[in-house]
Amino acid sequence: EAQVTQNPRYLITVTGKKLTVTCSQNMNHEYMSWYRQDPGLGLRQIYYSMNVEVTDKGDVPEGYKVSRKEKRNFPLILESPSPNQTSLYFCASSLSKWGSPAGELFFGEGSRLTVL
Amino acid sequence: TQLLEQSPQFLSIQEGENLTVYCNSSSVFSSLQWYRQEPGEGPVLLVTVVTGGEVKKLKRLTFQFGDARKDSSLHITAAQPGDTGLYLCAGHPYSSYKLIFGSGTRLLVRP
Repeated sequence: EAQVTQNPRYLITVTGKKLTVTCSQNMNHEYMSWYRQDPGLGLRQIYYSMNVEVTDKGDVPEGYKVSRKEKRNFPLILESPSPNQTSLYFCASSLSKWGSPAGELFFGEGSRLTVL
Repeated sequence: TQLLEQSPQFLSIQEGENLTVYCNSSSVFSSLQWYRQEPGEGPVLLVTVVTGGEVKKLKRLTFQFGDARKDSSLHITAAQPGDTGLYLCAGHPYSSYKLIFGSGTRLLVRP
């Protein structure tokens, strides 16, 4: 089954404790992206990756890091989480390439993070 | 900064009623998508519109892309409780590989 898998689905942590949210897709997609969803703000892009070893900042990258060492995996790293990073996070992937009409984004089920 | 404004933000209607959700911007997009998100899940693509003036139908849902490619609408005929969810529009700007998401319209269809 084609899917994007995120872990953990739920996490409560404390300020400053490093954490990683993993994301894996089994569709051989080149494009992957991380979004955060907050009430009234829709989905805001954190980072995206066009391919292995190619990553770029989205609209709200501060406080986050990513890496793309393998095509299927795109982990999101919070080096020193703060309460304003409490949010619902989504990983997504797409087959679509640069310049073509936006292809379908396949989303994971989301990771709800609470930073105390 | 390119923005997509959705209206209304919330909509609560009775089963069988019709409704329209709007997605507006001052920017031009090469394509526009609509997603639906249910509680505890990620958004799922409903449709992509690419041509200005394009109309696409998906059963009781009708999607339209504005002639100037700056706006879109989603019309639901005879809404059903199964239509309940968060509807998100997303625009793909020219010369960019980013999707700009609107803030969403939360729809509740009461039986």
